[in-house]
Amino acid sequence: QSVLTQPPSVSAAPGQKVTISCSGSSSNIGNNYVSWYQQLPGTAPKLLIYENNKRPSGIPDRFSGSKSGTSATLGITGLQTGDEADYYCGTWVWGWVFGGGTKLTVL
Amino acid sequence: EVQLVESGGGLVQPGGSLRLSCAASGFTFSDHYMDWVRQAPGKGLEWVGRTRNKANSYTTEYAASVKGRFTISRDDSKNSLYLQMNSLKTEDTAVYYCASARSGYDSVGYYYYYMDVWGKGTTVTVSS
Repeated sequence: QSVLTQPPSVSAAPGQKVTISCSGSSSNIGNNYVSWYQQLPGTAPKLLIYENNKRPSGIPDRFSGSKSGTSATLGITGLQTGDEADYYCGTWVWGWVFGGGTKLTVL
Repeated sequence: EVQLVESGGGLVQPGGSLRLSCAASGFTFSDHYMDWVRQAPGKGLEWVGRTRNKANSYTTEYAASVKGRFTISRDDSKNSLYLQMNSLKTEDTAVYYCASARSGYDSVGYYYYYMDVWGKGTTVTVSS
């Protein structure tokens, strides 16, 4: 069981918005940057958000990140079927920790 | 094109050893910290460990689950990262990914660390 807690699954219709939470504590998220990773089915993870809310080049602005206190949130607007994937949060705490992952289903 | 390519996976018996490699291209490998991350079948991502760069003495850190059994090394002259795995257990069965990382301190002194480029992975199966 990870120290970072994510919901196992979320779902929404195409075109809608969804948020994925990542809950931690003052010893991890509370004092460190959070990054988010997207893993499409059968592929390697890909960096989606870094330093809480920054997007790497090539990541559309439909994807956003935020952090408040000991929780972080990934937001995805204008959902597309191609967004169906597993999403992981992560942070560095004397070793890297990932959240348990959230499976996004676009209905 | 920035690329990481893992190799060396395969089937090994419990108690055996295996060495994974990760070939980097398209970026200045020697500047980067490098990580290994694994994913057991049907499970989430698990960090294995990392090696710092030369400027930080190539020091390494490991997850508790592999410490003392796995060793991460690198050869900057070959743009290559390695994972030596000894005393393998069935629970080490996973896809192993290498990833390059960005690390440092921002303008207000906060430490940042994230994995920005990932390889496609290599599969390790530990079974008798």
